[in-house]
Formats: sequence, C-alpha cells, structure tokens
Amino acid sequence: QVQLQESGPGLVKPSETLSLTCTVSGDSISGFYWNWIRQPPGKGLEWIGIHFFSGRTSYNPSLESRVTISEDWSKNQVSLKLTSMTPADTAVYYCARDRKGTSDYWGQGILVTVSS
Amino acid sequence: QSALTQPASVSGSPGQSITISCTGTSSDGTDYSYVSWLQQHPGKAPKLIVYDTHKRPSGVSDRFSGSKSANTASLTISGLQAEDEADYYCSSYTSTSRVFGGGTKLTVL
Repeated sequence: QVQLQESGPGLVKPSETLSLTCTVSGDSISGFYWNWIRQPPGKGLEWIGIHFFSGRTSYNPSLESRVTISEDWSKNQVSLKLTSMTPADTAVYYCARDRKGTSDYWGQGILVTVSS
Repeated sequence: QSALTQPASVSGSPGQSITISCTGTSSDGTDYSYVSWLQQHPGKAPKLIVYDTHKRPSGVSDRFSGSKSANTASLTISGLQAEDEADYYCSSYTSTSRVFGGGTKLTVL
C-alpha cells in the first residue's frame, strides 16, 4: 500500500520561503509523476505543479515564478519550495501520486499558516 | 484560461440518487477527455472514487458511477447514505497541467 506523508513547518513568516517534503513509502517514486496541491481554509483544491519522471516539471501559471518541485530518489521524497510567502498562501498542502492524469494516492496534508 | 465548473451544492434524501455535473471550458480548445472524481470529508484528504471518467478504484462502492457527454462529466451517487455527505471535486488534465473543479457540497437531508 502506497503511503505519502507531508512534513515541514506549520508556520511561515511573510516573505519567507516554504519548504515541504513528501516522503513516499510502499513504492518507489521513480516511474511515477508527483503533484503538489493546496487547499486554503474553507476553499477548493488548487493544483500547484507536477514533477514528471523524466525530471521535467510543470507549474500552475499563477504560481510558476515562485515554485520549485524536485525529487530525491535516494530518500524516496518529493519536495516543494514556494518563495515569497504571503497570507494568501495559507493552506493545507497535499502531495499526491499522479497516474495517467489522476491523483490516485494522497498524503494526509499539512496546514501551513503564513503569519508574522 | 481553463476551468472545470461544478454546482456549489446539491442535496438529496437517503435512498435517492443525485448527479453532480462538471463542465469543462478551455480558451485554447483543450479537450478534457478523461475526468476523475474525488470525495473529501471535513478535515480529511481527498479520496479518489472515479477515474478515467467512469472507472472505480478497488474498494469504492458501485453506488458511485461516472459518465461524460460532450464537455460535461457527471458523477451519480445512487442509494444515498448519510456517509456520502461530503465535498466532491472533479479533476482533469492535459499533457502539462492538472485542473480541479471548484467542488460541490453534497448534503444528505
């Protein structure tokens, strides 16, 4: 059974960079695509970006200038960096495995609050 | 600009059937051929219930079914149960992006 676990700070100050890690167990991250998705409190899901197994990435145009998604095969982890955080970035952040365009396995999510 | 549009809310009584629609629009003519549906209970992560428009993952009740006509996909839940009360999201993709609908809150009366 594939399991995903997000980790990182729960509180970030405005203008700082958010760094989150998604640790995958039960399968190798190689050979799959990996999404980061977020959900502001009380709102819907927003796709942040994807890491393809070719090493290529693609990001939501609204966030593209601030986002980097990377993989660490040795640790079986996928990471997200989001720069210049503002209160509007407060959300639950999820990682999800992507299989043929479908997010089939999701982490439990991590709430990140942006506040001074 | 690309979008998947869902009704904000639907409701039904136990035992009834309901349908949630998901209409795809794209300024560049992208055809959202395949749609998946996610169920999210409060405070929980989304759970995949339908993929490739009409397929169900193992373990998902056959009360959930998906279909598509033209640019509108639909999720039908038959034999409504109290536990079906949740938010439902449709999702689709292109070769370089993923997109979610705004979500539909299902209330079981």
